[in-house]
Amino acid sequence: TQLLEQSPQFLSIQEGENLTVYCNSSSVFSSLQWYRQEPGEGPVLLVTVVTGGEVKKLKRLTFQFGDARKDSSLHITAAQPGDTGLYLCAGDGNRDDKIIFGKGTRLHILP
Amino acid sequence: DSGVTQTPKHLITATGQRVTLRCSPRSGDLSVYWYQQSLDQGLQFLIQYYNGEERAKGNILERFSAQQFPDLHSELNLSSLELGDSALYFCASSSSGLSYNEQFFGPGTRLTVL
Repeated sequence: TQLLEQSPQFLSIQEGENLTVYCNSSSVFSSLQWYRQEPGEGPVLLVTVVTGGEVKKLKRLTFQFGDARKDSSLHITAAQPGDTGLYLCAGDGNRDDKIIFGKGTRLHILP
Repeated sequence: DSGVTQTPKHLITATGQRVTLRCSPRSGDLSVYWYQQSLDQGLQFLIQYYNGEERAKGNILERFSAQQFPDLHSELNLSSLELGDSALYFCASSSSGLSYNEQFFGPGTRLTVL
């Protein structure tokens, strides 16, 4: 069974600090996606990474896909209260066309 | 606003009952996905339909069923409800049948089973 483990589970930091959250697996994924979910809403796609070693930037957010395509990280620079939310990583299963989500990192940025 | 609509927003019912959740995908999207989200299990993929046909099945219980209609809206039927079925149920849609393409999520239906 393919699993995605996200760490940390919870993170609370001050505005302006940097942070990194992780998404790890023992399985290889063809692609990984990062979503952000705010309270009372559905997840919203932030980025898709498909190539091992790929780095994508979205303003203050930097996403990296591991060389072996088993893990990914999300780095936020100078966090802002608007970054607060649940960050989910999701990978597409190689054996079938199912998407697997991690349980997420709940991020809270204190003003 | 993702363009995906779900009704109802909240649903409170009793154990043993049956409910139907409804989803309308974004205009033009052929795929509909159903997910269950609970605090302990996270977001679990239940089932996917593409252009009216079942495309992929996840951790969907036998008590649950879904269908996609010719107008592409979808319904998720939950029967013989148990306390553990209380969760957020999300519908998502995408233009293709490939799960790694961007999925657009609806606002969810919060189901409470008492």
